[in-house]
Amino acid sequence: QKEVEQDPGPLSVPEGAIVSLNCTYSNSAFQYFMWYRQYSRKGPELLMYTYSSGNKEDGRFTAQVDKSSKYISLFIRDSQPSDSATYLCAMRPRGAQKLVFGQGTRLTINP
Amino acid sequence: DADVTQTPRNRITKTGKRIMLECSQTKGHDRMYWYRQDPGLGLRLIYYSFDVKDINKGEISDGYSVSRQAQAKFSLSLESAIPNQTALYFCATSRAVNTEAFFGQGTRLTVV
Repeated sequence: QKEVEQDPGPLSVPEGAIVSLNCTYSNSAFQYFMWYRQYSRKGPELLMYTYSSGNKEDGRFTAQVDKSSKYISLFIRDSQPSDSATYLCAMRPRGAQKLVFGQGTRLTINP
Repeated sequence: DADVTQTPRNRITKTGKRIMLECSQTKGHDRMYWYRQDPGLGLRLIYYSFDVKDINKGEISDGYSVSRQAQAKFSLSLESAIPNQTALYFCATSRAVNTEAFFGQGTRLTVV
């Protein structure tokens, strides 16, 4: 079993929809949680960064961490075609160098 | 200009050949990493370096070697390339252990 599980999709939704992307994990030591966005033929870029449990909002994006369930989510409101990309969750324990990535979910927003 | 630059962007090589992928950064970060990305497997860490004198193996280092020539340069070598090393390779940098990692544009390597 992988340490971090993410549904690879593909996920296709109409413009304006609310998108929910999720990851589950097995290592209870994970404390730093990230979401990266990767456009086609580009490197991943950091979208959201949260520490421990709770929610964090940035514009149309909300990251949610539920450590008791070992579950993290990324919500995209009012989705736009420019949000079409692969979204990767990533996490690490406190003080550890290694960042563990999920498989990535390919998302398409249809105009 | 990109802060993390990888060369080449694309490469096709034959089985058994030695190949080097290069990474340079202008961010002034001490920490540099090499990842590979395969469909359905996400990003996996090959090697990482905290500074010029420090090299560490990641989870999939077999068949690879690295060299940290300077703070700004970190190269990845495949001594004898094999087809299952066909993948997208990314270099990344970070300032410290719990800070954001910045990725290069990637090198698409095909071993035939």
